[in-house]
Amino acid sequence: GAGVSQTPSNKVTEKGKYVELRCDPISGHTALYWYRQSLGQGPEFLIYFQGTGAADDSGLPNDRFFAVRPEGSVSTLKIQRTERGDSAVYLCASSLVPGQGARREQYFGPGTRLTVT
Amino acid sequence: RKEVEQDPGPFNVPEGATVAFNCTYSNSASQSFFWYRQDCRKEPKLLMSVYSSGNEDGRFTAQLNRASQYISLLIRDSKLSDSATYLCVVFHGSGNTGKLIFGQGTTLQVKP
Repeated sequence: GAGVSQTPSNKVTEKGKYVELRCDPISGHTALYWYRQSLGQGPEFLIYFQGTGAADDSGLPNDRFFAVRPEGSVSTLKIQRTERGDSAVYLCASSLVPGQGARREQYFGPGTRLTVT
Repeated sequence: RKEVEQDPGPFNVPEGATVAFNCTYSNSASQSFFWYRQDCRKEPKLLMSVYSSGNEDGRFTAQLNRASQYISLLIRDSKLSDSATYLCVVFHGSGNTGKLIFGQGTTLQVKP
């Protein structure tokens, strides 16, 4: 079956530009997560959606980062005024239901590699 | 101090060797524990959950010590295909919310 998909797979942008990263979760998964992974580090939590609402956005580094999930399926991570420090792989994950346990296993997409020059 | 600490390695071992990875976590309220595997330039994938009673999946054994806040992964009879980064992960939250906290990862390279 189809897994989590993310587009684009690679994005190169100039410092100061605006970017949007898209995540298409597994069909029927109600929970959606965004993570950021810098080189040599583990993924770092950014934001979690349960349905259409952001249930936890405590990981967003600052107000340049924003994410939406208007219909409870596809999500878009938006970064304004990009900085070189934003360069990383942005991973999206989804789970059938939120929380922990077997039905709550998070499945990751392949990520979007963002490079800010 | 990071919430989940791992030795980044790399661990270079010959095929057939037994290798052990350790991890410590700082939040005693953490509820669930996992090992994820991540291949180069790929997404993380769940390897196994970790329980206090210990659990085994083929050549892989995971163990949790809640008192010491310590998690381990043992790989027996290493294969070339085991070469990857192994991420120690804890989950904490309440009700139906929560998030995964990842360690830095430990890199394993199995040599012929």
